[in-house]
Amino acid sequence: DAGITQSPRHKVTETGTPVTLRCHQTENHRYMYWYRQDPGHGLRLIHYSYGVKDTDKGEVSDGYSVSRSKTEDFLLTLESATSSQTSVYFCAISGTGRKDEQFFGPGTRLTVL
Amino acid sequence: KQEVTQIPAALSVPEGENLVLNCSFTDSAIYNLQWFRQDPGKGLTSLLLIQSSQREQTSGRLNASLDKSSGRSTLYIAASQPGDSATYLCAVGAAGNKLTFGGGTRVLVKP
Repeated sequence: DAGITQSPRHKVTETGTPVTLRCHQTENHRYMYWYRQDPGHGLRLIHYSYGVKDTDKGEVSDGYSVSRSKTEDFLLTLESATSSQTSVYFCAISGTGRKDEQFFGPGTRLTVL
Repeated sequence: KQEVTQIPAALSVPEGENLVLNCSFTDSAIYNLQWFRQDPGKGLTSLLLIQSSQREQTSGRLNASLDKSSGRSTLYIAASQPGDSATYLCAVGAAGNKLTFGGGTRVLVKP
């Protein structure tokens, strides 16, 4: 299995509080991604990173920010959590080529009350 | 905007029958296509990746085909087993290896 960990694995928070999710990889892959998975919407890309300090928006980036100060870590921050951000969040990694598979972490279940 | 569709949303077969899972996409300018398996409450496990220049890819009982011109991929699972019960997701890759996912097909293999 690809070396990807996510923390925390579960979190319950209240509306309006800031939340940071961490993704850590041991594979030295250049690309890292954050997705959310919701019933009826499937998996959707939030933000991705193509290198240290290089990030870009995905399909559903509003309300989220990211940072990548080291190759191995990719942080997702909800500046002021809302109930619509209750979801399961997955981190993924990949190499840079067309033959590079994307590997996923175990996920973080976030509930915003 | 790329759209990926998987039909049917759910499928039930008796053990031993071959599984055929379909995936269609609207934009044929893809980098690759990846099939995943997801068990309830778990993350995604990569099954197969087909590069845009390939027609098919095989791994054990799994075989995936790709027809870019018609915007279709099919995942075949031979001689299904109860352990194959899961949700299968198709995802189309674009520049930056960004993936667009289909909604998945939930498979139940009955003993």
